[in-house]
This record gives sequence, C-alpha cells and structure tokens, in this order.
Amino acid sequence: GIQVEQSPPDLILQEGANSTLRCNFSDSVNNLQWFHQNPWGQLINLFYIPSGTKQNGRLSATTVATERYSLLYISSSQTTDSGVYFCAGGGQNFVFGPGTRLSVLP
Amino acid sequence: GAGVSQSPRYKVAKRGQDVALRCDPISGHVSLFWYQQALGQGPEFLTYFQNEAQLDKSGLPSDRFFAERPEGSVSTLKIQRTQQEDSAVYLCASSRTTSLAGGLRAGNEQFFGPGTRLTVL
Repeated sequence: GIQVEQSPPDLILQEGANSTLRCNFSDSVNNLQWFHQNPWGQLINLFYIPSGTKQNGRLSATTVATERYSLLYISSSQTTDSGVYFCAGGGQNFVFGPGTRLSVLP
Repeated sequence: GAGVSQSPRYKVAKRGQDVALRCDPISGHVSLFWYQQALGQGPEFLTYFQNEAQLDKSGLPSDRFFAERPEGSVSTLKIQRTQQEDSAVYLCASSRTTSLAGGLRAGNEQFFGPGTRLTVL
C-alpha cells in the first residue's frame, strides 16, 4: 500500500516565524488533504489539494503530483497554530502520515 | 447538521464488554469512513461505506469489529469483547464522492467528526 512520510516530525517556532512542512507519497494519489489536529483532537480541514497551489490567509499549500510530494506553508505563525499537522491521501480511503507536531511559542 | 457528529465522545469499557459507537455524517454525503487513531499516531483506515453498502472493510483489525449503515445515513461501529489494545480514538468522516465502475472519482474531500475516545480497562 501507499506509504506517507512527513517532515519534520517536530517543529518549535517563535511566534511570527514562517515554516514549511513536507509530505512525500510512495505512489501517485488521486486525493490529498492537509489537516490540523487541535489539542482537543479535532481534525480541521486545511486544504484539499491533489495538485496545484492554494492559499487561505496565512496558510498555503502546493502539491507536485508528478513528484508525489506536497508542501504546507505557514507564515507569521501564531500560538493557535500549535498542534499536529497531518497530510493524507490515496484513492477512496486515506492513508495518513505520522504528522508534524508544531509548537509556537509566545 | 453543520458537520459530522459522533457519540458518545468518551467511552470507558471493561475488558470483555461490547461497545457501539455512532456516527452522523453530513447530510447528503454518500461516503462514510471509520478510522482508528492510537495515541501519538496518525489515523488508520478501518472501513468505508457508499450509501448502505460496505465497500471496503480491509482495515478492521479483527472479526470483533463490525460496522453497519443500514439506511445509508447514520453508521454504527461495534466492537465485541473489547480488549485493552482497542483503546484509541475512533474517527468518522464523510464525503460527497461516489465510486464509479472502473475507477474512482476524484473530489474526495473528507470531513471528520470529533471522535470517540474509547478506553478499555
């Protein structure tokens, strides 16, 4: 089955800093999403992005489907950005990566 | 409703008890998924429904796990004779997408519920 890698596994930032999270897939996927899991465990949809580039406020994402990777950019980070970021993708059912745990310090 | 809802939010069971976890998908969503998330890990796929049909149950860890969606809306995940290794958060997701014969249709954005945290003592 598809394998998903995420890097870095952990990231500590000072408030206001920028960051890039990466997701690699072992095979091509029809669907790809980025999620933020908040401290209460809720998975919040950030982007549905099987290809191309999207932006939403301070967040943007780029997927290069031919090279099987996706990037999530966080600019001007805030303490509320803390949590675990997952990428997931596949055919109908999603395979999740192990996540990047982000801590933004005030 | 505005989103996917799950109940109960927390469940404590004694080893050997049966439990039933409920998922209410977003109205009109055809596809429904169950995932299991162990502490510190990403969610792992359990099973998938399109309307009332269970199209994939390859992720169910044992025959103690059973899921149903009899009317194509609400779904129940049942775990029989719970064991300590069943302790996890069980997540439900729904999406609009349907599968077409001969291939999958893109546009499979999944929306997740808040999960049920199951603790087996």
